[in-house]
Amino acid sequence: DIQMTQSPSTLSASVGDRVTITCRAGQSIGSWLAWYQQKPGKAPKLLIYKASNLQSGVPSRFSGSGSGTELTLTISSLQPDDFATYYCQQYKTYPYTFGQGTKLEIK
Amino acid sequence: QVQLVESGGGLVKPGGSLRLSCAASGFTFSDYYMSWIRQAPGKGLEWFSYISRSGDMIYYADSVKGRFTISRDNAKNSLDLQMNSLRAEDTAVYYCARDDRDRDGYSEYWGRGTLVTVSS
Repeated sequence: DIQMTQSPSTLSASVGDRVTITCRAGQSIGSWLAWYQQKPGKAPKLLIYKASNLQSGVPSRFSGSGSGTELTLTISSLQPDDFATYYCQQYKTYPYTFGQGTKLEIK
Repeated sequence: QVQLVESGGGLVKPGGSLRLSCAASGFTFSDYYMSWIRQAPGKGLEWFSYISRSGDMIYYADSVKGRFTISRDNAKNSLDLQMNSLRAEDTAVYYCARDDRDRDGYSEYWGRGTLVTVSS
């Protein structure tokens, strides 16, 4: 299985900050990566697919980049609604695997 | 709009069985691969099974292989998961998810989930 490691596990930030979450894959996954946002008690929501493609309806302050073994999710200017847990997922090889999650907290 | 509604969760004893269902609406169900993903309480996400549009291709992760069976009924717009020989570590919220149209593999839409608790 491809191991996905996110960093940091927890991130404290303020409204208006620019934040970056990194996802490292145990082997190259090309651009076969998605990012999801999950709020407590809710289902995950797709933000980014194929590493850098913004899902319809997702604000443009979210962006994804990278390929291979190191990929990133950036939020350009944090809004109150963005405080949540973020997961990356590789879908290059079965079983598809998720990172352990990054909890974005209000500083 | 796309809607996925899971049902069938509950409390079951170790070794027992449970059948989950996912009712789909708002899209042409037979056009999409579907997946099951679970999340243990306070933990991360685990993708563990998918089924192709016609049901002829199925995948299970090792953690559930031989115990869980995924199936679909395109006439009823329904996805099912038969879970047998349940273990405490199967305790989780179970989500059904619709894959993307091109079958790249990511989960474009998710249901709200149904909680399965395996405990004596």
